[in-house]
Amino acid sequence: DVKVTQSSRYLVKRTGEKVFLECVQDMDHENMFWYRQDPGLGLRLIYFSYDVKMKEKGDIPEGYSVSREKKERFSLILESASTNQTSMYLCASSLPLSGEKLFFGSGTQLSVL
Amino acid sequence: AQSVTQLGSHVSVSEGALVLLRCNYSSSVPPYLFWYVQYPNQGLQLLLKYTSAATLVKGINGFEAEFKKSETSFHLTKPSAHMSDAAEYFCAVSSMDTGRRALTFGSGTRLQVQP
Repeated sequence: DVKVTQSSRYLVKRTGEKVFLECVQDMDHENMFWYRQDPGLGLRLIYFSYDVKMKEKGDIPEGYSVSREKKERFSLILESASTNQTSMYLCASSLPLSGEKLFFGSGTQLSVL
Repeated sequence: AQSVTQLGSHVSVSEGALVLLRCNYSSSVPPYLFWYVQYPNQGLQLLLKYTSAATLVKGINGFEAEFKKSETSFHLTKPSAHMSDAAEYFCAVSSMDTGRRALTFGSGTRLQVQP
């Protein structure tokens, strides 16, 4: 079974801190994604990557950046955390073709105080 | 552009009753459609997906969904609810072209099952 591992289940950070959220997948998937999940808003795409060192903005990229130096690892970076970035962050991976299902990690609940 | 609308943020049914969760989509090209389920404190897992092979799609745990192009709908059903079905359910769409590989999700429907 595909495993997508997010490094932290819960994180508490202070406003202005630089925050790294790490995600690792073990199935050699080309595509990797970062979503944030907020009540009543569902999942919104922040960034995705379809190859090493490649990235594309999703629907809400402002305040975030990403890094993909190795195929299995996709990092989400909050350059200067703000309280409105308090959310559940979900990482996912998939094979490269359209219509392939996403495999999700269990999420990181980030609180920015 | 693609989008998904899920009608009803909360649905409550009795154990053994029919489950119907509604999803309407908008897509300029033929869509792939998905239903995902999220149990408490877990990530999302795939229930079923439509990829144009058949309009009635069967998934795991007794769920199924029917693609209706004329109604731009992909409603999720289960004939008889079980307590273990209590979860949040998300409808999602992606396009059959390769322009957008990511899924666009709806806002979710939380299903409660009453004993």
